Amino acid sequence: EPEVTQTPSHQVTQMGQEVILRCVPISNHLYFYWYRQILGQKVEFLVSFYNNEISEKSEIFDDQFSVERPDGSNFTLKIRSTKLEDSAMYFCASRERQGDYGYTFGSGTRLTVV
Amino acid sequence: KQEVTQIPAALSVPEGENLVLNCSFTDSAIYNLQWFRQDPGKGLTSLLLIQSSQREQTSGRLNASLDKSSGRSTLYIAASQPGDSATYLCAVVTDSWGKLQFGAGTQVVVTP
Repeated sequence: EPEVTQTPSHQVTQMGQEVILRCVPISNHLYFYWYRQILGQKVEFLVSFYNNEISEKSEIFDDQFSVERPDGSNFTLKIRSTKLEDSAMYFCASRERQGDYGYTFGSGTRLTVV
Repeated sequence: KQEVTQIPAALSVPEGENLVLNCSFTDSAIYNLQWFRQDPGKGLTSLLLIQSSQREQTSGRLNASLDKSSGRSTLYIAASQPGDSATYLCAVVTDSWGKLQFGAGTQVVVTP
């Protein structure tokens, strides 16, 4: 069964450093998402991406965050200057087409900012 | 603003018992409601998707109902097994871009 692949599974970074979280969505999917889950809290929406541009973003997704689909297969989330409160599990997800809301989630990247 | 609530927060049952998990949402203007399973330290696995026009959806031992007017959904898991131990998340889609809004989840433990 097709999978959404996320790398790395765990990343530790120092406060103020830039991090890039990587995702390879399912190849024929058109809609891409990033969500995050701070330990013990709800899964929160960050951003949705369609047709090579951001379609929607949450209040969390400020100027420190950016997304990119540089080569038609990878989908990346960049955090420019990490803060302690960015420590969370980050999930990438994709879905196939308009009107089909069946999601496939990746297994996540646990980001720890020290 | 849409709020999604799940009750109970945790549940422990002996193997073989049926599980009943509840989800409520404050705004009935949803596209659909979805149930996910999350294992510790892992991603989310989609279990069932109920369109806003549907009343229920079934897959194997799982059955989910939706009452949009009252803002409620219930996930039933028949004849629970230890392998059903996980956190179950309810989420609603409230716009055409497909943004999911999640509840906090119900942590289920099924004891042998």
